[in-house]
Amino acid sequence: GQNIDQPTEMTATEGAIVQINCTYQTSGFNGLFWYQQHAGEAPTFLSYNVLDGLEEKGRFSSFLSRSKGYSYLLLKELQMKDSASYLCAVRGRGNTPLVFGKGTRLSVIA
Amino acid sequence: GAGVSQTPSNKVTEKGKYVELRCDPISGHTALYWYRQSLGQGPEFLIYFQGTGAADDSGLPNDRFFAVRPEGSVSTLKIQRTERGDSAVYLCASSFEYRAGYTFGSGTRLTVV
Repeated sequence: GQNIDQPTEMTATEGAIVQINCTYQTSGFNGLFWYQQHAGEAPTFLSYNVLDGLEEKGRFSSFLSRSKGYSYLLLKELQMKDSASYLCAVRGRGNTPLVFGKGTRLSVIA
Repeated sequence: GAGVSQTPSNKVTEKGKYVELRCDPISGHTALYWYRQSLGQGPEFLIYFQGTGAADDSGLPNDRFFAVRPEGSVSTLKIQRTERGDSAVYLCASSFEYRAGYTFGSGTRLTVV
């Protein structure tokens, strides 16, 4: 089976940096994805990691350690529009569909 | 199309009725996925199509749920004898191949009263 854990809620200040952690246990591993979901909207793709290390894309970065079953999403220079849920999703063995965590609801405050 | 289109956006139905939810994926995307999402939860996998065939239907909760994709493009999720516990947002996603990220539609909010 697969199990994905991430914090339920986080709060951070506009302009600051926030790190959202995700730990996972899977049968096989074939990639980890982060999605952003604003309330009432569809999830949108943010990042993909399949090898260990950091992937940077503008204000967002994602890190993966396969040996530790651990990833984080780093958001820099937070803006109010970054208030959303952030979903960690893992693909297990082969072409199995993504399994999503419950999401972390981030609130950015002034 | 330019994005994944789902219709209807909202559906209210009475307990025991039959409903169909439609998904029109991005043109050329061979993989199509159905998920459902309850409030405060992440998307829960239901079924995955590769082309016309269901490659994995292990997430369908019971035999009241069925999905088809007869021509390898549009898919319909069918729910028989709806129950109040079926109320959720049903999300469809597509990808051009299984290793790619998914593009989600805006979802169908199903409410069973």
